[in-house]
Amino acid sequence: KNQVEQSPQSLIILEGKNCTLQCNYTVSPFSNLRWYKQDTGRGPVSLTIMTFSENTKSNGRYTATLDADTKQSSLHITASQLSDSASYICVVRGLRGGGNKLTFGTGTQLKVEL
Amino acid sequence: DAGITQSPRHKVTETGTPVTLRCHQTENHRYMYWYRQDPGHGLRLIHYSYGVKDTDKGEVSDGYSVSRSKTEDFLLTLESATSSQTSVYFCAIKGGERESSGANVLTFGAGSRLTVL
Repeated sequence: KNQVEQSPQSLIILEGKNCTLQCNYTVSPFSNLRWYKQDTGRGPVSLTIMTFSENTKSNGRYTATLDADTKQSSLHITASQLSDSASYICVVRGLRGGGNKLTFGTGTQLKVEL
Repeated sequence: DAGITQSPRHKVTETGTPVTLRCHQTENHRYMYWYRQDPGHGLRLIHYSYGVKDTDKGEVSDGYSVSRSKTEDFLLTLESATSSQTSVYFCAIKGGERESSGANVLTFGAGSRLTVL
């Protein structure tokens, strides 16, 4: 069964600090991996999409890495801000199965404090 | 939320009553999706549509039906709501934004919180 596991489940950091969120997946064959940010009470918003050939992709203070060999991805947030407080969801798109073939992780809940 | 409107945003209902959630898009996208989000689970696909009157089941479709009579509207119906259907429901569209790789981005609505007592 295709799975996406994220760690940690939750994280509290001080404003201005960096943090790294992890995503391990078993989806195979693999098409792409996405990171979404979900603010409380809102729908998820795409941060970045990485294909199997991409190792690193940045979006402002967010940098995603991908190791397709070990099936691991990370999302690094630099110089955190209060507005970074949200759930970060890793989503993997496979190449088999019906529908849109997306497998969602349960998310890492990040809280940035003063 | 990128031209996607969900209604109602909040609803409380009783077990056994029918419930319909509406998703309206203004951008003429072909693909539309209904997901549910529950604690301890990732978003799970209920049903999706790839055009007017063209729909298919997702991984958790039991107890749900959908209809798409117009491109802009995708309705999710719970014929007889149960407490296990208490959840937050998200509508999504594929498109509206493409990554540099060419992959379509899934764009979500703001969600509809349903409580079944």
